Amino acid sequence: AQTVTQSQPEMSVQEAETVTLSCTYDTSESDYYLFWYKQPPSRQMILVIRQEAYKQQNATENRFSVNFQKAAKSFSLKISDSQLGDAAMYFCAYRGTQGGSEKLVFGKGTKLTVNP
Amino acid sequence: DTGVSQDPRHKITKRGQNVTFRCDPISEHNRLYWYRQTLGQGPEFLTYFQNEAQLEKSRLLSDRFSAERPKGSFSTLEIQRTEQGDSAMYLCASSVQGANQPQHFGDGTRLSIL
Repeated sequence: AQTVTQSQPEMSVQEAETVTLSCTYDTSESDYYLFWYKQPPSRQMILVIRQEAYKQQNATENRFSVNFQKAAKSFSLKISDSQLGDAAMYFCAYRGTQGGSEKLVFGKGTKLTVNP
Repeated sequence: DTGVSQDPRHKITKRGQNVTFRCDPISEHNRLYWYRQTLGQGPEFLTYFQNEAQLEKSRLLSDRFSAERPKGSFSTLEIQRTEQGDSAMYLCASSVQGANQPQHFGDGTRLSIL
């Protein structure tokens, strides 16, 4: 079974600085998708960025980018120029393509605090 | 696009009672998912529908849990004979078909068992 591990329960960053959140996963599949979701306090979970495993190029979305290392099964999220609104729980998620399963497998999350 | 809507936002009930939650997906999304999230954890998959067909169920979905999507639009999740361990946030998500398509989440229903 696939597992997702986020080894940093909490992280903090100064406003305007850069922070990197870590994620590792375990799978025997070669084709899959990886996602980072953001969950602000008492608000809905929203997609931040996604990466297709067959793509070597790292995904970027404005201030958000990933470092995808397929061989190492690592998928870290870098937030540049951190803003107060970036404070939230961040979840890394895996979605396989074999066996017809459509489920997302989530890590336990990293709580990001942004200090003014 | 009005987003995924869940009702109620919060449900408080006594142990042993039955509860039912509703999820209205984004209108053009044919896939609908239910997840459960407990404090300090990431969401855990419960079940998913493609149109009205329930295609996958997690072993977390005990016999006391049942989900339906009768017309391929909204879905309900019922928990019978609630237990303390059922206290959690129940999240609904929807997506269009396609492995690379992201799931869009609702605000969730927080269940508290007294």
